[in-house]
Amino acid sequence: KNEVEQSPQNLTAQEGEFITINCSYSVGISALHWLQQHPGGGIVSLFMLSSGKKKHGRLIATINIQEKHSSLHITASHPRDSAVYICAVPMYSGGGADGLTFGKGTHLIIQP
Amino acid sequence: EPEVTQTPSHQVTQMGQEVILRCVPISNHLYFYWYRQILGQKVEFLVSFYNNEISEKSEIFDDQFSVERPDGSNFTLKIRSTKLEDSAMYFCASSEGRGQVYGYTFGSGTRLTVV
Repeated sequence: KNEVEQSPQNLTAQEGEFITINCSYSVGISALHWLQQHPGGGIVSLFMLSSGKKKHGRLIATINIQEKHSSLHITASHPRDSAVYICAVPMYSGGGADGLTFGKGTHLIIQP
Repeated sequence: EPEVTQTPSHQVTQMGQEVILRCVPISNHLYFYWYRQILGQKVEFLVSFYNNEISEKSEIFDDQFSVERPDGSNFTLKIRSTKLEDSAMYFCASSEGRGQVYGYTFGSGTRLTVV
């Protein structure tokens, strides 16, 4: 069964700073998911990636399959980026399973 | 943009009662999921559903839980004889194909409080 570790657990930064959140997992996967959870609780899917890098606006996600590691970067951070960012991967390797196992999340606060 | 809709947003129930949490997945999606998040903890997988049957479930999803797609639009999670520890945020998600390939769209959640 896959295990997910995220770091840091909490991150406070000033507006404009470059943010990096890290995710490591234990077994091979087909795709990794980055999610954002708002203070009200709703979950929004940011990225699904299986290799390389994806960019959406100021968000960039990278993955290294060999090292079982992914990073989420936020450029020119803004207070509206304040949220919990969660990494999720398939519960089991092999591609047959569909349920996700989640990291504990990184609680990000961007101060003006 | 299409949304997954969950109702109610907050439900309070007495311990021992049955609750039904409702979800309306995106209309052309074929795979459906329930997750839960106990306050302060990480999100946990409960069950996946495809072609009118459970395709995968976690050890959390015991006989107390059941899922159903009663019509072409709704997907429900029933929790029988609720316990205090069932208090959590419950998320529905859907996908047009297997989520590992097509990605997931999550609903905004139902906060269940058992008193």
